[in-house]
Amino acid sequence: GNSVTQMEGPVTLSEEAFLTINCTYTATGYPSLFWYVQYPGEGLQLLLKATKADDKGSNKGFEATYRKETTSFHLEKGSVQVSDSAVYFCALRNQGAQKLVFGQGTRLTINP
Amino acid sequence: DTAVSQTPKYLVTQMGNDKSIKCEQNLGHDTMYWYKQDSKKFLKIMFSYNNKELIINETVPNRFSPKSPDKAHLNLHINSLELGDSAVYFCASSPQQGAGTDTQYFGPGTRLTVL
Repeated sequence: GNSVTQMEGPVTLSEEAFLTINCTYTATGYPSLFWYVQYPGEGLQLLLKATKADDKGSNKGFEATYRKETTSFHLEKGSVQVSDSAVYFCALRNQGAQKLVFGQGTRLTINP
Repeated sequence: DTAVSQTPKYLVTQMGNDKSIKCEQNLGHDTMYWYKQDSKKFLKIMFSYNNKELIINETVPNRFSPKSPDKAHLNLHINSLELGDSAVYFCASSPQQGAGTDTQYFGPGTRLTVL
């Protein structure tokens, strides 16, 4: 079956630190991969996505590269800000499939 | 301007009651979803509708009954509420069925608390 595994949280960093949140997946087909972000008290927003191997998704300084050989889609940002504090979800959606399969979420806190 | 809206935002009720959560999208999308987020933030799909037809039902108890009067609305009715139903429920929509690259757009969530 399809599944997504994210690194355990919570993650606490200082402002301007480098961020990596690991995400690996198991899928039967050729999935599209997504990162969603949930700010406190809000719904999920799409942060970035990649639809095929070696694609790089990027938005708001965040990047993730679709690595088929390692079945990974790690989220990175070079210099985090306090406003990046949120819960981050990695997700996949198989071709022709309706549903998103989410990882367990990683809570990120950035201290000034 | 709101793309996917849900009402109510908060719902507190007693065990055994019946309640409904409403969802509307003004994006012209064909497909809508309900997800449940538990207390540990784990998100799991419950239902998906495409053009008013049920596409996904992920072994959800039959106390949960989605209803789609038209493709812009997907409501969730819950009978005989139980403590374990306490969660945040998210509605989402996407442009078309079966397009795996489509982005899903989420509503703000409804926090349900069953006492």
